[in-house]
Amino acid sequence: DIQMTQSPSSLSASVGDRVTITCRASEGIRNDLGWFQQKPGKAPKRLIYAASSLQSGVPSRFRGSGSGTEFTLTISSLQPEDFATYYCLQHNSYPLTFGGGTKVEIK
Amino acid sequence: QVQLVQSGAEVKKPGASVKVSCKGFGYSFTTYGIHWVRQAPGQGLEWVGWMSGHNGNTNYGQKVQGRATMSIDTMASTAYMELRRLISDDTAVYYCARGDPLDTWGQGTQVIVSS
Repeated sequence: DIQMTQSPSSLSASVGDRVTITCRASEGIRNDLGWFQQKPGKAPKRLIYAASSLQSGVPSRFRGSGSGTEFTLTISSLQPEDFATYYCLQHNSYPLTFGGGTKVEIK
Repeated sequence: QVQLVQSGAEVKKPGASVKVSCKGFGYSFTTYGIHWVRQAPGQGLEWVGWMSGHNGNTNYGQKVQGRATMSIDTMASTAYMELRRLISDDTAVYYCARGDPLDTWGQGTQVIVSS
């Protein structure tokens, strides 16, 4: 199975801050990676697909990058509605595997 | 508008079975597969399995292999996930998601396994 190591597991940031979350795959997954945002009590929402493509309707402050084994989600200027938990997901091979999540909290 | 609507919450005893449904709206159900993902209380996301909407192929996660059966009723645009021999660790919110992959999610179905 491909392991997805996500870091950090949590972070505190202020509105307007630049935030970076990283996922590392245990083996190469090309660009078969998505990023998801989840708010408490809600279903996850896809933000990024194919590692760097922005899902329709998602603000441009969200940016995904990377290929192979190293991937990054960057929020360029954190907004109040961005406080949530973020997950990466590899879909290169079965079983699909999620990163452990990053909880973004208000400083 | 693409939408997935899931069945309601279930409470089951250990050893029982549960069947969760997921109805699709606004797209051709046979074009995409359906993934199932679960989230135990306070925990992260865990992929459970996938079924093709085209040819019925399936792939299951290790924790449910042998206990889960996924099916699709293409006429009703509805996917089902049945989980048998339930244990307390199966307590979770179960989500279905369109196999784009996982571009659209259902609202979730709470399954509680408790004696």
